[in-house]
Amino acid sequence: EAGVAQSPRYKIIEKRQSVAFWCNPISGHATLYWYQQILGQGPKLLIQFQNNGVVDDSQLPKDRFSAERLKGVDSTLKIQPAKLEDSAVYLCASSFSGYEQYFGPGTRLTVT
Amino acid sequence: GESVGLHLPTLSVQEGDNSIINCAYSNSASDYFIWYKQESGKGPQFIIDIRSNMDKRQGQRVTVLLNKTVKHLSLQIAATQPGDSAVYFCAGLSGGNQFYFGTGTSLTVIP
Repeated sequence: EAGVAQSPRYKIIEKRQSVAFWCNPISGHATLYWYQQILGQGPKLLIQFQNNGVVDDSQLPKDRFSAERLKGVDSTLKIQPAKLEDSAVYLCASSFSGYEQYFGPGTRLTVT
Repeated sequence: GESVGLHLPTLSVQEGDNSIINCAYSNSASDYFIWYKQESGKGPQFIIDIRSNMDKRQGQRVTVLLNKTVKHLSLQIAATQPGDSAVYFCAGLSGGNQFYFGTGTSLTVIP
């Protein structure tokens, strides 16, 4: 069974630039999550989708972050404009049941 | 807000010894917990889960214990191996859909 795919794996941008991350969940998983993991910390949920609807985006900085999940499969997370404090690993996870989550390898973002 | 926290940020054990990683949570309504293992450069990997109606659950070489009275759970790894070296996170779910992760314990296995 293929796992959660993410791209790119690494990205370096300057502050105020824009960046987008892509996630392809495990086939059949209706729930998709985006997490932000700052170095030395645990993942923090940014947004959760159930199919193509948003379940929870309470911790998403909506002035600069946006996410979509068209057709209830792939998802993109965008940051515009980026700030230095956005430097982190962005993890995508998917779940069939809403309990056990399967994580992708993450995208390491460095904002200079 | 919700929180889960691990007691020790780092833990070193000898190969072959048992490891115990502890975690405390704040919300007594938390009803589901997961332990994750995260190796460098990878996403968290599911190890074992436990629901609040259980006190103990065993997997292959791992055991999770849940003490709801003191809001504490632990992960025990038997016969720790070098491949067990990683950061371990506990995560809790309370009455909804959002998981709260702890800050992680870095386990180092000494050969």
